[in-house]
Amino acid sequence: KAGVTQTPRYLIKTRGQQVTLSCSPISGHRSVSWYQQTPGQGLQFLFEYFSETQRNKGNFPGRFSGRQFSNSRSEMNVSTLELGDSALYLCASAGGLAANEQFFGPGTRLTVL
Amino acid sequence: DQQVKQNSPSLSVQEGRISILNCDYTNSMFDYFLWYKKYPAEGPTFLISISSIKDKNEDGRFTVFLNKSAKHLSLHIVPSQPGDSAVYFCAASAQYSGTSYGKLTFGQGTILTVHP
Repeated sequence: KAGVTQTPRYLIKTRGQQVTLSCSPISGHRSVSWYQQTPGQGLQFLFEYFSETQRNKGNFPGRFSGRQFSNSRSEMNVSTLELGDSALYLCASAGGLAANEQFFGPGTRLTVL
Repeated sequence: DQQVKQNSPSLSVQEGRISILNCDYTNSMFDYFLWYKKYPAEGPTFLISISSIKDKNEDGRFTVFLNKSAKHLSLHIVPSQPGDSAVYFCAASAQYSGTSYGKLTFGQGTILTVHP
């Protein structure tokens, strides 16, 4: 089975721009979660989508949004980028026999200049 | 409020010896715990997990112990190998609900270095 894939792997944007990141989960998995990793805050939960509906949301501003499509692929959007949004954005999929296990993609490294 | 804590930022171990990584949590609602291994600029790799109904789970060289009364879990790696050198994160979640797998709350990570 192919793992979780994320595109693009690297992205450079300037303040004020917006960005869209994409995630394809493991085949058959219906849950996709997004996490942000920064040196100061560690790994923090952004949101979870399950069957095209947002099920959980972390403590991030409304500039961070997402969606999930009928094939379970997910996109995350960040509008009006700030310098502090520079981070590694990770996508995780879940839905196997071990229900609570989440499997991560390689991440998208976003740099905001 | 850090609900999952890994109090040791780093651990150095000799090849062949045991590595013990520790994790404490405060939220009583957590009932599933996971360990991940991570290299820089890559996504975390799942290692092993344990449900709160168990106190031990083994998978090859990796064993996770859970002490619910102390709200403490540990990961034992025996024997340690240089390839185990990485950052190790513990994570906790609440029970899968049927329409949500829940969010993972991560500790800050422990850098493990295994010397040849």
